[in-house]
Amino acid sequence: KNQVEQSPQSLIILEGKNCTLQCNYTVSPFSNLRWYKQDTGRGPVSLTIMTFSENTKSNGRYTATLDADTKQSSLHITASQLSDSASYICVVSMDSNYQLIWGAGTKLIIKP
Amino acid sequence: DGGITQSPKYLFRKEGQNVTLSCEQNLNHDAMYWYRQDPGQGLRLIYYSQIVNDFQKGDIAEGYSVSREKKESFPLTVTSAQKNPTAFYLCASSPGLAGGPRADTQYFGPGTRLTVL
Repeated sequence: KNQVEQSPQSLIILEGKNCTLQCNYTVSPFSNLRWYKQDTGRGPVSLTIMTFSENTKSNGRYTATLDADTKQSSLHITASQLSDSASYICVVSMDSNYQLIWGAGTKLIIKP
Repeated sequence: DGGITQSPKYLFRKEGQNVTLSCEQNLNHDAMYWYRQDPGQGLRLIYYSQIVNDFQKGDIAEGYSVSREKKESFPLTVTSAQKNPTAFYLCASSPGLAGGPRADTQYFGPGTRLTVL
């Protein structure tokens, strides 16, 4: 079954600290993987996208990695800010039918 | 929210009523989508449309209906047949089909929270 699993479900860290969010997938055939940020009560906003041949992609303080062999991705946030408090969602696209498989997200809370 | 508007932001419905959620985009995108988001779950696709006057069922289309009479508009009707409609509804658009070979980015609206009383 094509699935995307994210961990942890929720995470609380202090402002200024780094953190890493995980995304494991069983989607096949794989096309690309995207990370979204969703503020509470708002729509998701795309952060990064990686294809099979890419293993890292940065967007400011956000760095995503992809290991297509182990079917794992991570999102690393450096020097966290209060505005980073949000849910982070991993989405994998299937190469065969362009279907998008959405993870349930990780809820990140940054405390001052 | 990138040129996509949804209204209303909050909607309350009595059991047995149909309600229509509005979604408008000014991005000139061909593809539009409706998702449902429930706590602890990933987004689930209700309907999507690749071009005007055409739309396809997603994973959970039962109890919902859509129309695409104009490129910029994709309203969603939640009918009384939908047994558990309380949820956060998100509309999105993309230049072409998201997940396709161009990997077009989806742009989301601010969402409508529907509550059944």
